[in-house]
Amino acid sequence: NAGVTQTPKFRVLKTGQSMTLLCAQDMNHEYMYWYRQDPGMGLRLIHYSVGEGTTAKGEVPDGYNVSRLKKQNFLLGLESAAPSQTSVYFCASSYPDRRFFGPGTRLTVL
Amino acid sequence: GQQVMQIPQYQHVQEGEDFTTYCNSSTTLSNIQWYKQRPGGHPVFLIQLVKSGEVKKQKRLTFQFGEAKKNSSLHITATQTTDVGTYFCAGSAGNMLTFGGGTRLMVKP
Repeated sequence: NAGVTQTPKFRVLKTGQSMTLLCAQDMNHEYMYWYRQDPGMGLRLIHYSVGEGTTAKGEVPDGYNVSRLKKQNFLLGLESAAPSQTSVYFCASSYPDRRFFGPGTRLTVL
Repeated sequence: GQQVMQIPQYQHVQEGEDFTTYCNSSTTLSNIQWYKQRPGGHPVFLIQLVKSGEVKKQKRLTFQFGEAKKNSSLHITATQTTDVGTYFCAGSAGNMLTFGGGTRLMVKP
């Protein structure tokens, strides 16, 4: 099992550009999450999903959108990137409470 | 909203010394989880505590959940260089899991 995978691993964007981060899990977990990690601020929840076709807002949802069209995939979109979105993004899935994290995507917005 | 505070933010220790990180929640928790993140890596689940006053051990690591289920601690005995990383607590209340800011442990050989 690959567990949770994320693509891409690194990305540099210019302000105003858009991009999509892809998360995939092969553990058949219902719940999936997107977090961002900034120095000294731990992990903050952006959006999450409790099952295929569902999404919900977390602590810091502004500027992001998500979709869960298939159970195994959870996409995070940035429509118009801003420098404040420079961060490391982690996807996770859970069963039942324990989080399984992906390797992360390091995003820089110039 | 729920807040989870973790102290200290950083800790330097000499190899062989003990280390403790503390976690405090603004609300009563249903359970608390601990994760370790190696430098450049992703958080990895260590343990979950559910019962009031619960103590669990994993080799040199001892985890405690407070009687009031609002605080927790992780103690490492005789640190090794392999213990380097950031340790996060995460408190669960209702459907939300809130992460603390983490304690970064650095070990001098």
